[in-house]
Amino acid sequence: DIQLTQSPSSLSASVGDRVTITCRASQGISTYLNWYLQKVGKAPKLLIYASSSVQSGVPLRFSGSGSGTHFTLIISSLQAEDFGTYYCQQTSTTPHTFGQGTKLEIK
Amino acid sequence: QVTLNESGPVLVRPTETLTLTCTVSGFSLHHARMGVSWIRQPPGKPLEWLAHISSNEEKSYRPSLKSRLTISRDTSKSQVVLTMTNMGPVDTATYYCARRISKGPNGDHDSNDFWGQGTLVTVSS
Repeated sequence: DIQLTQSPSSLSASVGDRVTITCRASQGISTYLNWYLQKVGKAPKLLIYASSSVQSGVPLRFSGSGSGTHFTLIISSLQAEDFGTYYCQQTSTTPHTFGQGTKLEIK
Repeated sequence: QVTLNESGPVLVRPTETLTLTCTVSGFSLHHARMGVSWIRQPPGKPLEWLAHISSNEEKSYRPSLKSRLTISRDTSKSQVVLTMTNMGPVDTATYYCARRISKGPNGDHDSNDFWGQGTLVTVSS
């Protein structure tokens, strides 16, 4: 299985901050990398697919980049509603593994 | 409007078989670029991909659970069914079904764009 390692595991940031979350794959996965946001008690919501494509309806303050083994999710100007746990997922090969999550708290 | 709805037991005894049903609407299980995935999340833990079924009925399973999992579909009912045998306490989790769609460069980048609300399954005697 391909392992995904996210960093940091948790962070606290203020409204308006620029936030960066990283996901590293144990082997090259080209751009087969998605990002999701999950709020407590809710299903995950797709934010970014194919490493850098923003899902319809997702605010453009969210952006993704990367290829191979190193990927980044950036929130350009943090809003209060962006708190929750962020997960990366690879779909290069099955099983479509997820990272361990990054919990984002708003200061 | 795309919706997915999971249904099944909330409590399962150890060694029993779990059967979960995902009823979908707003898209066809025959659509060439779509399928359905099952993903679970133990309490307080990360997401864990379990299986998916494609429009051509191609099936994939998590290798560590492959011997216990079966995914199938009934297109006449717009349903996808997941069975997991020999349930144990470690299988206690919220189980989600999600639409899998292939898009992006070359139309071969999969993602799960719509999810059900999830169903919590507890394994206990």
